[in-house]
Amino acid sequence: EAQVTQNPRYLITVTGKKLTVTCSQNMNHEYMSWYRQDPGLGLRQIYYSMNVEVTDKGDVPEGYKVSRKEKRNFPLILESPSPNQTSLYFCASSLLGGGDTDTQYFGPGTRLTVL
Amino acid sequence: GQNIDQPTEMTATEGAIVQINCTYQTSGFNGLFWYQQHAGEAPTFLSYNVLDGLEEKGRFSSFLSRSKGYSYLLLKELQMKDSASYLCAVRSRDNYGQNFVFGPGTRLSVLP
Repeated sequence: EAQVTQNPRYLITVTGKKLTVTCSQNMNHEYMSWYRQDPGLGLRQIYYSMNVEVTDKGDVPEGYKVSRKEKRNFPLILESPSPNQTSLYFCASSLLGGGDTDTQYFGPGTRLTVL
Repeated sequence: GQNIDQPTEMTATEGAIVQINCTYQTSGFNGLFWYQQHAGEAPTFLSYNVLDGLEEKGRFSSFLSRSKGYSYLLLKELQMKDSASYLCAVRSRDNYGQNFVFGPGTRLSVLP
C-alpha cells in the first residue's frame, strides 16, 4: 500500500531535550516536505527536499533541522525544543513531474507537546 | 512574499451547492491545489489547476484565474460527510526549488 508513515504519532517532551520525528514513504517520490499546523495559521512549510542530499528552507525553518540521506526517509530534528514548537506536524511526499501528479501525499501527523 | 486568503468558516445545507474562494499573491506560480482535511486527520488531495479555467471531478470542481490570483472550489450536492476544512495551496517554483504555501483553510459545516 502506497503511504507516508510518521513516528511517533504523539509525543510529550520537555524543553531542551533533543528529539527526532521520522518520516518514510514507499512511493519512490523525489519531493518530501515537513509542515506544522497551528489553529488559525494553517499548514506552514518548515523544510523541503527535492531529492537525496538536497534540502531547503520553507517558511518557518527556525529551530528545526532535516536530512535526506536516502530517498525514502526525511527525518525532522528538533535539537532544543521549546514550547512554541508545540504543534501538529505533517510529513508529505510527491513526485516532481510538474503536473497534477505532483500532489502531495500526507502522513498521519505527529502531535508534539513541549512542556 | 506569498499570501493566500480564504474565508475562515462557511455553512451550507445538505444537497446544496457551496463555493469556497481563495485569493493568492505569489511569484513563480506553478499550480494551485485544493485539499480536504477532516478534523484530526491528514489533508487529502481534491483538485489541481495550473491553467485558467474549470476542472471538474464528480461533485467537485475547481476554477483558476491566474491574472486575478483567484481560485474557487465548488462542491455540489453537499453531503454531511463534506463537513471538513478545505485548504487552498499554491506551488511556486524558482531556480532553487519549489515550495508550497497553504491558505489558513475554510471550515465548512454541512447542516441537515
